[in-house]
Amino acid sequence: VQLVQSGAEMKKPGASVKVSCKASGYTFTDYYIHWVRQAPGQGLEWMGWINPHSGDTNYAQNFQGRVTMTRDTSISTAYMELTGLTSDDTAVYYCARDLLEAVAVYFFASWGQGTLVTVSS
Amino acid sequence: EIVLTQSPATLSLSPGERATLSCTASQNIYIYLAWYQQKPGQAPRLLIYDASNRATGIPARFSGSGSGTDFTLTISSLEAEDFAVYYCQQRSNWPPPITFGQGTRLEIK
Repeated sequence: VQLVQSGAEMKKPGASVKVSCKASGYTFTDYYIHWVRQAPGQGLEWMGWINPHSGDTNYAQNFQGRVTMTRDTSISTAYMELTGLTSDDTAVYYCARDLLEAVAVYFFASWGQGTLVTVSS
Repeated sequence: EIVLTQSPATLSLSPGERATLSCTASQNIYIYLAWYQQKPGQAPRLLIYDASNRATGIPARFSGSGSGTDFTLTISSLEAEDFAVYYCQQRSNWPPPITFGQGTRLEIK
C-alpha cells in the first residue's frame, strides 16, 4: 500500500489549494480516504473523509464550507481542496487510508508522506 | 467534543527501560482508541487500534490496554528507534467523530 501526495505549495491569503493523493498497491475504491492536517509543531486535526467508491464525503465541522474532497477512480487519486486560506491553514496535509475495507472505522492504517502548504503574503 | 489528555507531556527514559504512556478521554469511548507513533519529518504510524489490537507489522513490545476513559500504551523494553512522539486518537458518534491527544514526547535520557 502506498499513498503518494503532491508537492509543497505556497499560497497567498484568500487563495485556494488542491492537494492530490495517488493510491497504489490495493483497490482504490475499497477503502475510505481521510485527510488530516498538522500545523508546524502542533498536533493532528482530522478534516474529513471521502468514500472513493461512491464519492460520498463527510467533513469536520471546522472545515464545512471551505473543504471539498473528490476522487478520480480512473487514476486512483483522491483530492482535497481548501479555499479561503489564512495563515492558520499553514500545515502539513496528510491523506490516510482507513483501516478496514468498505467502512469508515476512523483508524488510519496507511498515510501519505504529507504535503506542506504555506500561506503567507 | 471528546477531549483526549495525554500524560506525561514528555517522558525521558533509557533504552531497555519500560515506557508507560497514558491517555484519558473526557467521556466514555468504550475501546475506540488508537495509538500512533510519529518521528520528525514523517507521517504518523498506526501502532494500536481498538485499545489493544496491534496493527500489522508492529513489534510485540508495543501493547495497549484500557477501556472507557483510561487507556495506556506500554513499550516493554525501549529500543533506539522508539524515541518519538506518540498520539492517541478516539473515534465516536460525537461531532467531530475523531479527536487526537496533544501527544507525548518520548526522549532518550
